[in-house]
Amino acid sequence: QKEVEQNSGPLSVPEGAIASLNCTYSDRGSQSFFWYRQYSGKSPELIMSIYSNGDKEDGRFTAQLNKASQYVSLLIRDSQPSDSATYLCAVHNFNKFYFGSGTKLNVKP
Amino acid sequence: GAGVSQSPRYKVTKRGQDVALRCDPISGHVSLYWYRQALGQGPEFLTYFNYEAQQDKSGLPNDRFSAERPEGSISTLTIQRTEQRDSAMYRCASSPGQAPLDTQYFGPGTRLTVL
Repeated sequence: QKEVEQNSGPLSVPEGAIASLNCTYSDRGSQSFFWYRQYSGKSPELIMSIYSNGDKEDGRFTAQLNKASQYVSLLIRDSQPSDSATYLCAVHNFNKFYFGSGTKLNVKP
Repeated sequence: GAGVSQSPRYKVTKRGQDVALRCDPISGHVSLYWYRQALGQGPEFLTYFNYEAQQDKSGLPNDRFSAERPEGSISTLTIQRTEQRDSAMYRCASSPGQAPLDTQYFGPGTRLTVL
């Protein structure tokens, strides 16, 4: 079983819609959770970090964490074509960051 | 300011040769991570340094892989006797303080191809 699981997609949404990206993790002891965006051929860049249960909002992005269900999600409101990228979920546990395989998001104009 | 830099950006080598990949973190960053990323996959943890101390090397695939950060700044990942399966993008990331709360900033990566 992988430490972090994501649906590979692609997830297609129309411009202006809400994109919902999901991630589950296996280790209940995980403390910190991150969403990274990676454009094709580029390096990952951090979008959001979340450490406690509930929602955390930053602009058009909302991260949601449910430790009981071992579930992390990212909502992107008013999706733009420039949001088209692969979104990586990462979990920190004992000095290591475990990344999922990423979900590819396509936002259609 | 300057971000994380890695060199070379591309490396093509023949099977059996040794390669050294360099990472220059953001100035003052305490933590440094090495990852390997295969196409269509997320980064896979290799090793982690806090200052010059290698805190965790459990992700290194085998004893052909080693890493050092002797002065707590620049780090080198060395792969001895390269094999074709070592071909991948190798990424370095640094963060300003102790993990886990700090943001990791990734370098551009080194694309290694072993022929």
